Amino acid sequence: QKEVEQNSGPLSVPEGAIASLNCTYSDRGSQSFFWYRQYSGKSPELIMSIYSNGDKEDGRFTAQLNKASQYVSLLIRDSQPSDSATYLCAVNFGNEKLTFGTGTRLTIIP
Amino acid sequence: NAGVTQTPKFQVLKTGQSMTLQCAQDMNHNSMYWYRQDPGMGLRLIYYSASEGTTDKGEVPNGYNVSRLNKREFSLRLESAAPSQTSVYFCASSPGGYPPDTQYFGPGTRLTVL
Repeated sequence: QKEVEQNSGPLSVPEGAIASLNCTYSDRGSQSFFWYRQYSGKSPELIMSIYSNGDKEDGRFTAQLNKASQYVSLLIRDSQPSDSATYLCAVNFGNEKLTFGTGTRLTIIP
Repeated sequence: NAGVTQTPKFQVLKTGQSMTLQCAQDMNHNSMYWYRQDPGMGLRLIYYSASEGTTDKGEVPNGYNVSRLNKREFSLRLESAAPSQTSVYFCASSPGGYPPDTQYFGPGTRLTVL
């Protein structure tokens, strides 16, 4: 059974601080990894995708991938109240499908 | 571009009734997916279609059927609704291929089965 694990939270972070979200997965052969953001009552939207070991930066967001340790993380710098949402980690386990974690609920405290 | 559209947005059914959820995308994507999302369970794949003319079961296919009508449209049918099918249903599409690219989600259908 291929699994994607996330801490459900809630994770509370002061405004302006760095929010760190973590995700572990069960298959070392996984190829592609995604972070989605989902506001309450809305559909998921892509934040970042990452395919290679290391860091990938996009504005205030940085995705970090470590395939040997089987984890992927998302850092949000200068957290804003608008970043309050549930963050979903998704992993491809070698087919056409993505497997999603249950999500981490992030709250930014003004 | 509208992206991925879903109808209806909300639906209430009685146990045993049937209905079809409609999904369409205008991005010329090859792959389409149906998920359900329940509190604490994350997104679970019901069925997917890697290309026009093909469909495959996902993690939770029981009680559902799908039709890939053409490249744009992918419908999900509940033949005899049960309270356990109360959920939020999302359709998604992606360009297709391997490794899989980004999936784009529709706005969702909130279904309640009484």
